[in-house]
Amino acid sequence: EPEVTQTPSHQVTQMGQEVILRCVPISNHLYFYWYRQILGQKVEFLVSFYNNEISEKSEIFDDQFSVERPDGSNFTLKIRSTKLEDSAMYFCASNSGGRLELHNEQFFGPGTRLTVL
Amino acid sequence: QQQVKQSPQSLIVQKGGISIINCAYENTAFDYFPWYQQFPGKGPALLIAIRPDVSEKKEGRFTISFNKSAKQFSLHIMDSQPGDSATYFCAASWVNTDKLIFGTGTRLQVFP
Repeated sequence: EPEVTQTPSHQVTQMGQEVILRCVPISNHLYFYWYRQILGQKVEFLVSFYNNEISEKSEIFDDQFSVERPDGSNFTLKIRSTKLEDSAMYFCASNSGGRLELHNEQFFGPGTRLTVL
Repeated sequence: QQQVKQSPQSLIVQKGGISIINCAYENTAFDYFPWYQQFPGKGPALLIAIRPDVSEKKEGRFTISFNKSAKQFSLHIMDSQPGDSATYFCAASWVNTDKLIFGTGTRLQVFP
């Protein structure tokens, strides 16, 4: 069964450093997302991406964050200068696309745990 | 107004019992209410979803009950099994967006 994969599973970084979280969405999917989950809290939407551009972003997704689809398979989240409060589990998700009102299923990856020291 | 409130935070149920998790929302523009199941070390996976034009949806042992006037929806797990032990998230979305607004999660433990 096709699945979303994410690497690395755990990333430890120093405050102020740049990190890139990588995702490989399901191959025929067209919409891509990043969500995050701070320990013990709810899953929060960060950004959605379609047709090589951001379609929607939350207030969390400030200038320190960027997303990219550098090739036909990878989807990345970059945090330019990490802060302590960026420590969280970051989930990538994808769906096959179609009319928004159909709310096609979003398939989530296993997550990358980011720890900022 | 975009929040989804979920309760309880944790739930312990005996094998064979009924697990009930509740969610409430304020935004009447929400038109899609999925439930996600998450096992340790895995991402959330869609379990079952409902739209507001029906009051109930059943898939196997899992049922969503939806009360539009009360702006509440709940997940019922019948004949709960130890393999159901996981964290459950309710979520909501609305037309012209595909972002999901998640509840805070319920950790379910089913003991044999």
